[in-house]
Amino acid sequence: GESVGLHLPTLSVQEGDNSIINCAYSNSASDYFIWYKQESGKGPQFIIDIRSNMDKRQGQRVTVLLNKTVKHLSLQIAATQPGDSAVYFCAENGDNAGNMLTFGGGTRLMVKP
Amino acid sequence: GAGVSQSPSNKVTEKGKDVELRCDPISGHTALYWYRQSLGQGLEFLIYFQGNSAPDKSGLPSDRFSAERTGGSVSTLTIQRTQQEDSAVYLCASSLAQREFGYTFGSGTRLTVV
Repeated sequence: GESVGLHLPTLSVQEGDNSIINCAYSNSASDYFIWYKQESGKGPQFIIDIRSNMDKRQGQRVTVLLNKTVKHLSLQIAATQPGDSAVYFCAENGDNAGNMLTFGGGTRLMVKP
Repeated sequence: GAGVSQSPSNKVTEKGKDVELRCDPISGHTALYWYRQSLGQGLEFLIYFQGNSAPDKSGLPSDRFSAERTGGSVSTLTIQRTQQEDSAVYLCASSLAQREFGYTFGSGTRLTVV
């Protein structure tokens, strides 16, 4: 998602449902992507990563999908829990960017009990 | 240390004053990054240190901003003559080596300029 001014895009889901958070990137040279979770008052925390030679990678309750054709990345969270409520950021690294990550604007996930 | 430590956690300063923000990276991490996060926004890159190489300062928004990293460990971000638009959370992260990802972030310093 892209932030608009002070208002982050917000996804509201029911506890137990699956969540899908989307991210578009612009750098076709990006070859590494990461999803971060940021809870209130804390720094971003690594969730899962994927390299450009893959289109899907699974972790515990999370799956990242990469579509290089349309430069789109998504994070799927299965059986969403109240503890998943946070802001989620995608980040990308291009081959010429050294170790630099460029972050997307973030999406706020709210889980309703 | 066990994680990236930043101090202070909160700082309120008057417009025009200088501030220093400190970051203690994870021991042994050679790469250190500063990002800025304004309210409800994403992360804006400020500066990057890698080992003994010259830092990448391409993200610093003005010459009022500077950073140093002493002995390849602790880093200090200095903002001179603070302005209200400098109000943000300043995040520090470290990682093991170039192209080694999964930055570990600190909890940030919330700077408020009044």
